[in-house]
Amino acid sequence: NAGVMQNPRHLVRRRGQEARLRCSPMKGHSHVYWYRQLPEEGLKFMVYLQKENIIDESGMPKERFSAEFPKEGPSILRIQQVVRGDSAAYFCASSPPSPPGQTIYSNQPQHFGDGTRLSIL
Amino acid sequence: AQSVTQLDSHVSVSEGTPVLLRCNYSSSYSPSLFWYVQHPNKGLQLLLKYTSAATLVKGINGFEAEFKKSETSFHLTKPSAHMSDAAEYFCVVSLVLGGYNKLIFGAGTRLAVHP
Repeated sequence: NAGVMQNPRHLVRRRGQEARLRCSPMKGHSHVYWYRQLPEEGLKFMVYLQKENIIDESGMPKERFSAEFPKEGPSILRIQQVVRGDSAAYFCASSPPSPPGQTIYSNQPQHFGDGTRLSIL
Repeated sequence: AQSVTQLDSHVSVSEGTPVLLRCNYSSSYSPSLFWYVQHPNKGLQLLLKYTSAATLVKGINGFEAEFKKSETSFHLTKPSAHMSDAAEYFCVVSLVLGGYNKLIFGAGTRLAVHP
């Protein structure tokens, strides 16, 4: 049973280019989370998605950043017109759906991928 | 509001000696708490989690943590450090929202283990 798969592992872009980061959740997981880790810092929540729906994007910068989780295929985090400050490690995590009857208090652990290290030249 | 503070940014121990990584949390209600470990250039691995059952939680690789409500602490311990324990450790509090949990991370503690 493969874990959370992220690709590419390393991505180099020049300022002004677009970066696309992909995340395939674990089998059976329908919840995807994206986090950003700046050097020497902890992870910061960016966005939470279910299939075809953005549930919580409160951690996403308002401009240039977008995320999707289509019905088929991986989740994509897209950064347009990248700047030096976008250099970071981006982690995806997934979790299974809540058990029936526990939607309010569900606390399923999140399983993390190995991340994508984005470097902006 | 939920928050978590890891009191030490770096901890250095000798192999075979005990490990203590300190974490204090702030939560407006009964929290769920986690410890994750991150090895260099890798993702995060769940060590253990507290979800209002037993206050002493046992995790993988010999780690355990004790939830102390009176002290709002959730310190991570291990009786005897191994070289392979050298990594970054994150204390995490979970904000549970209608069917999912948003994780709030501490800044991390880098553990070094010397021979």
